[in-house]
Amino acid sequence: GENVEQHPSTLSVQEGDSAVIKCTYSDSASNYFPWYKQELGKRPQLIIDIRSNVGEKKDQRIAVTLNKTAKHFSLHITETQPEDSAVYFCAASGQGGKLIFGQGTELSVKP
Amino acid sequence: EPEVTQTPSHQVTQMGQEVILRCVPISNHLYFYWYRQILGQKVEFLVSFYNNEISEKSEIFDDQFSVERPDGSNFTLKIRSTKLEDSAMYFCASSGGAQRDTQYFGPGTRLTVL
Repeated sequence: GENVEQHPSTLSVQEGDSAVIKCTYSDSASNYFPWYKQELGKRPQLIIDIRSNVGEKKDQRIAVTLNKTAKHFSLHITETQPEDSAVYFCAASGQGGKLIFGQGTELSVKP
Repeated sequence: EPEVTQTPSHQVTQMGQEVILRCVPISNHLYFYWYRQILGQKVEFLVSFYNNEISEKSEIFDDQFSVERPDGSNFTLKIRSTKLEDSAMYFCASSGGAQRDTQYFGPGTRLTVL
């Protein structure tokens, strides 16, 4: 069935360092890949997304890359700040629109 | 900026009782979803809804669950006879407009079944 694997489950970095979170998906029909940030007790908030016709997308300190052949996509956060600390979820969806989420990565940025 | 809203924020119920969770999607959106998140786990898809009918549902969405759009603004999730394992955070999401696939989530309803 459809599945999204996400690694690592926890990630601790020093303020100013970069953080990379990786996901793989199983459904080759997936064509939309959003990333959500979830702070404790809050809603998932969309931070960036990428569609299958694009290999890379950047928004200030956040970038996402997509390798459709390998079914991999990654989130890169540069110059991390303590307020980046949260749980990050990748997801994949196909034509039907439902999102299949990864297991989440708890990012901790230490000042 | 328009947001998805949900009520109540927290619902406590006894096992076997019916609950209705309410959502108001973003006004020009046409696609609606329910997801759930058990504490400490990932977000799981329950059901998608478009044009007044279910588009897709997951294995979790069994006969105890139903969805409805009773009027032009609300979107509801009903659980007929709650079980302990239904305890979770339930998120509504909506999409539509220029980017049909971009889903925006509501703040969630925390359901506690005792």
